[in-house]
Amino acid sequence: QVQLVQSGAEVKKPGASVKVSCKASGYSFTSYGISWVRQAPGQGLEWMGWISVYNGNTHYAHNLQGRVTMTADTSTSTAYMELRSLRSDDTAVYYCARGLGYCSGGSCPSGMDVWGQGTTVTVSS
Amino acid sequence: DIQMTQSPSSLSASVRDRVTITCRTSQSVGSYLNWYQQKPGKAPNLLISATSSVQSGVPSRFSGSGSGTDFTLTISNLQPEDFATYYCQQSYSIPWTFGQGTKVEIK
Repeated sequence: QVQLVQSGAEVKKPGASVKVSCKASGYSFTSYGISWVRQAPGQGLEWMGWISVYNGNTHYAHNLQGRVTMTADTSTSTAYMELRSLRSDDTAVYYCARGLGYCSGGSCPSGMDVWGQGTTVTVSS
Repeated sequence: DIQMTQSPSSLSASVRDRVTITCRTSQSVGSYLNWYQQKPGKAPNLLISATSSVQSGVPSRFSGSGSGTDFTLTISNLQPEDFATYYCQQSYSIPWTFGQGTKVEIK
């Protein structure tokens, strides 16, 4: 079946980096895109960015520009999200989610239809 | 950035009630408005895409409508498994943004 399986929980110190993986199965990985969404404890959903595995384009949230990098390895059908210079307010559950592979100018006529199980990232000294 | 305002932030309802959740955007998003359901400790689940397209496997009691800046999610005949938090999300303009969520609780 179509699924996204994420890597396990991480505990990091402030200033460190974290790299979360998201392995896709059950569908053609290169025909879609992957978004990353995070949720701080007790809070709502925050979109972090999107990578089109289809053509490699990326779009990032303005507040994360320069600290986040999203990549995709088509040989292993795995997407990655790396977040650097971690702060305590980066503590959250991080989700990957499948979306369309091509969105003209970042305008996408569809939502995120398959989600990973979430990866808890804790930033604490 | 497009701001999203959901109302109400929370509501109490009974089984078999009809529930309406509103999402207003700060500028037009055309029809590129999506709705998600999230239960505690679980990943969100896409209910409705592009304003009114109900995802496969989602019960027909869920429906969506609207255009431009005003959108509605309606749950007719509320069932016990529908008690959850609901989020709207625009995919019209980068950065994509979510509403703050509406928590549907049992009365």
